Amino acid sequence: DAKTTQPPSMDCAEGRAANLPCNHSTISGNEYVYWYRQIHSQGPQYIIHGLKNNETNEMASLIITEDRKSSTLILPHATLRDTAVYYCIVRGGGATNKLIFGTGTLLAVQP
Amino acid sequence: EAQVTQNPRYLITVTGKKLTVTCSQNMNHEYMSWYRQDPGLGLRQIYYSMNVEVTDKGDVPEGYKVSRKEKRNFPLILESPSPNQTSLYFCASRRGGSSYNSPLHFGNGTRLTVT
Repeated sequence: DAKTTQPPSMDCAEGRAANLPCNHSTISGNEYVYWYRQIHSQGPQYIIHGLKNNETNEMASLIITEDRKSSTLILPHATLRDTAVYYCIVRGGGATNKLIFGTGTLLAVQP
Repeated sequence: EAQVTQNPRYLITVTGKKLTVTCSQNMNHEYMSWYRQDPGLGLRQIYYSMNVEVTDKGDVPEGYKVSRKEKRNFPLILESPSPNQTSLYFCASRRGGSSYNSPLHFGNGTRLTVT
């Protein structure tokens, strides 16, 4: 599975959009990009995933560049409850391929 | 409510005393997995199961056992716990088969301390 690179930490003002970048320059054609977050020591929470098209759900939007070498998770209106570690994960096809969690980005939403 | 339930949430035990951490999911998922999380090491997979009676080792299986006798349950067994198994443990599940790219759902974790 391709590795990902994320900034270790970011700040965002409450109510503003939070844009979390992820670099996955070695991604291959059948690998999906997943985003999870972990609030304190709770279980990781699934946010969104995509292959090559941009995706949106009730939590966030995922923008994947045309060459698929990077992506951005967008939280449109960050709240204090969005303070968490955000993990960008690339996972290939195949039933046994597992999610490999890196160190993620600690997003601190400031009041 | 669709969920993965782990028990107990907190457990303190002594070296060598066998223990079981239970995991149950109500989403009829084929795939289940156990992770441990340690500071600086992130989440690492211990064991996974593709379906009933099918289990396989993850990255850090030493000192652990699992079983999958029923689809909904995937207990983690520590036959002789040691202090280096002190960690935060997560169980997770997802759909399997042709839906292998479906998202993983995690439980709320079990914090284990072995003294």
